[in-house]
Amino acid sequence: ELKVEQNPLFLSMQEGKNYTIYCNYSTTSDRLYWYRQDPGKSLESLFVLLSNGAVKQEGRLMASLDTKARLSTLHITAAVHDLSATYFCAVDGSLTQGGSEKLVFGKGTKLTVNP
Amino acid sequence: KAGVTQTPRYLIKTRGQQVTLSCSPISGHRSVSWYQQTPGQGLQFLFEYFSETQRNKGNFPGRFSGRQFSNSRSEMNVSTLELGDSALYLCASSLTGTGIYEKLFFGSGTQLSVL
Repeated sequence: ELKVEQNPLFLSMQEGKNYTIYCNYSTTSDRLYWYRQDPGKSLESLFVLLSNGAVKQEGRLMASLDTKARLSTLHITAAVHDLSATYFCAVDGSLTQGGSEKLVFGKGTKLTVNP
Repeated sequence: KAGVTQTPRYLIKTRGQQVTLSCSPISGHRSVSWYQQTPGQGLQFLFEYFSETQRNKGNFPGRFSGRQFSNSRSEMNVSTLELGDSALYLCASSLTGTGIYEKLFFGSGTQLSVL
């Protein structure tokens, strides 16, 4: 059974600082997603990572994927208040051996950026 | 281009009743998947439909069912509601669900409260 673990679950940081959110998964898959969710809102797609060594950047966010270590990271550079949200990683379980779940999500990281 | 539309936005039901939720995908998208979000369990996959056929299924009891119509619109039904079914139900659409660079686009969700 595919399991996805994120850490930390809660992150409070100051504006201007850097930090990294980690996403570990238990079974090899060829597709990993990062999503953002604001309170009371739906999920907004941030990145799709497909291959080992993939790195994608948008603004102050950069995501990477190491399929051998089954690890993805979401790095936040020089955080600003607007980045406050909950961030989820999700692995495409339908691409894993014997997998039947489309997306398996981590528990999410609630990020608060303080002035 | 219209996004994923879910109706109704809010729903209040009592235990034992049944409920039907609707999801209209982005025009041209043929894959629709459903997720349950609760504070305790997080985001969990329910099922995925493509071309009116269920392609993947999560670990939910048979009280949870779905279907997809020829226009790709999807409905999910929960029969004999329990208190624990109170959740935000999200649907997501994508072109085929298997395209290597495809993103999943989520609707705003239906907030179901079971009293």
